[in-house]
Amino acid sequence: EVQLVESGGGLVQPGGSLRLSCAASGFIFSDHHMDWVRQAPGKGLEWIGRIRNKAHSYTTEYAASVEGRFTVSRDDSKSSLYLQMNSLETGDTAVYFCGRSPIGYSPFDIWGLGTMVTVS
Amino acid sequence: DTQMTQSPSSLSASVGDRVTITCRASQDITNSLGWYQQKPGKAPKSLISAAFTLLSGVPSRFSGSRSGTDFTLTISGLQPEDFATYYCLQYRSYPFTFGQGTRLEIK
Repeated sequence: EVQLVESGGGLVQPGGSLRLSCAASGFIFSDHHMDWVRQAPGKGLEWIGRIRNKAHSYTTEYAASVEGRFTVSRDDSKSSLYLQMNSLETGDTAVYFCGRSPIGYSPFDIWGLGTMVTVS
Repeated sequence: DTQMTQSPSSLSASVGDRVTITCRASQDITNSLGWYQQKPGKAPKSLISAAFTLLSGVPSRFSGSRSGTDFTLTISGLQPEDFATYYCLQYRSYPFTFGQGTRLEIK
C-alpha cells in the first residue's frame, strides 16, 4: 500500500525548533519530488516547500513565509522526508502534511495524514 | 506570486444537483492546476491533475475545464460523500498557491 506517515509534531515555545519526519512506503521514494503543506486551525491550505529528487540535484523551493527558517531534506536510503523548523512563531501553528509529487503531474497525488504543531 | 481566486467560498446544494467551483489565476498558468477534496479532520485527496485529468479511482461525475485563466471543477449529480471543502492549486510557478477553498454543504 502506498503510504506517507508524518511524525514529530507537538507543542513548542516561540523561538524553538522542531523536526518533522515523513516516512514513505509502497513506492519508489527516490523517484519522486516531495512537498510539505500546512493548514492552520480552521484555515485553508498553504504550500510551504519542496525538495526535488536526486536526478534534479535535491534542489529545494520555499514559501516566503518560511524561507530562512525551515529546511526540507530527504534520505532516500530511509525513504524519508524531513522538515526542520527553526525560529518558530505562533503563526506556524498548523497541521503539517507531506505529499508525493510525481514529475509532470499535479503535486500531492498522495498525502500523509498530517501532524499537528502548536507554537505557544 | 500567482494569486488563485476561488469562488464561491461556500455553496449549498442537494443530492443530485450539478455544481461548479471556479478558480481564476492572476496570470497564465497553462494547465498547471490541480483540484483537491478535503473532509473535516482528514487529509486532502487529489481529484484532478493538469486541469482536466481525473485521477485513478475518482468518480466520473467530477470533471475539470479551463477557459484562459479560469478553471472550473464540476460535480454532476452530487452524492452524499461529495459534501466537503474543495481547493485548487496552481503549480506553474513557485511559490505554489492554493485557492481559498469552497465549502460545499448540504441544503
